[in-house]
Amino acid sequence: DAEITQSPRHKITETGRQVTLACHQTWNHNNMFWYRQDLGHGLRLIHYSYGVQDTNKGEVSDGYSVSRSNTEDLPLTLESAASSQTSVYFCASSEGQEAHEQYFGPGTRLTVT
Amino acid sequence: AQKITQTQPGMFVQEKEAVTLDCTYDTSDQSYGLFWYKQPSSGEMIFLIYQGSYDEQNATEGRYSLNFQKARKSANLVISASQLGDSAMYFCASKGHSGTYKYIFGTGTRLKVLA
Repeated sequence: DAEITQSPRHKITETGRQVTLACHQTWNHNNMFWYRQDLGHGLRLIHYSYGVQDTNKGEVSDGYSVSRSNTEDLPLTLESAASSQTSVYFCASSEGQEAHEQYFGPGTRLTVT
Repeated sequence: AQKITQTQPGMFVQEKEAVTLDCTYDTSDQSYGLFWYKQPSSGEMIFLIYQGSYDEQNATEGRYSLNFQKARKSANLVISASQLGDSAMYFCASKGHSGTYKYIFGTGTRLKVLA
């Protein structure tokens, strides 16, 4: 069965370190998204991609970067982790630009100490 | 810019009763979609229902229906015959059908179903 996975599921890191969160989908979807979820804010879009070599900034992109070298993967990198980036991170994918449904990964809980 | 407002941080409902979760949206797109997602305590995001802005009828999926009032810019989720397993966080979201096709989420409503 097709799926979307995230790794690691839990991560503790120190302030200033570079961290990369992996997202892998086997749906063969063109669109991939990264969100962060914080209490009182719902899900906020960090970065998104509509295909290989395409990346776009979302509403809270500062301090984050992504790259899309193939259809299946969209890794999220925190260049220099800050305590404000402690959050739960969700990756999602969807089939096309007018797709109705996003498929979400299980989430990664990141703690920056 | 798109914006989703969910004004109910928490709701209680008695088992087997119906409950309405409120959602209002603001968008400049002529064509857009509205979504509801469920997030149980386990954390995964589960797609529930979709309504297109040009759909003439309200969307329904089993016990879920979306009360779409375009003039009021509201897209309320109605859950009929609530079950204990419906206790979860519920998110309303929108997506424009032009431009950037980004999804915008509300802050969520936590629903607790009482036995």
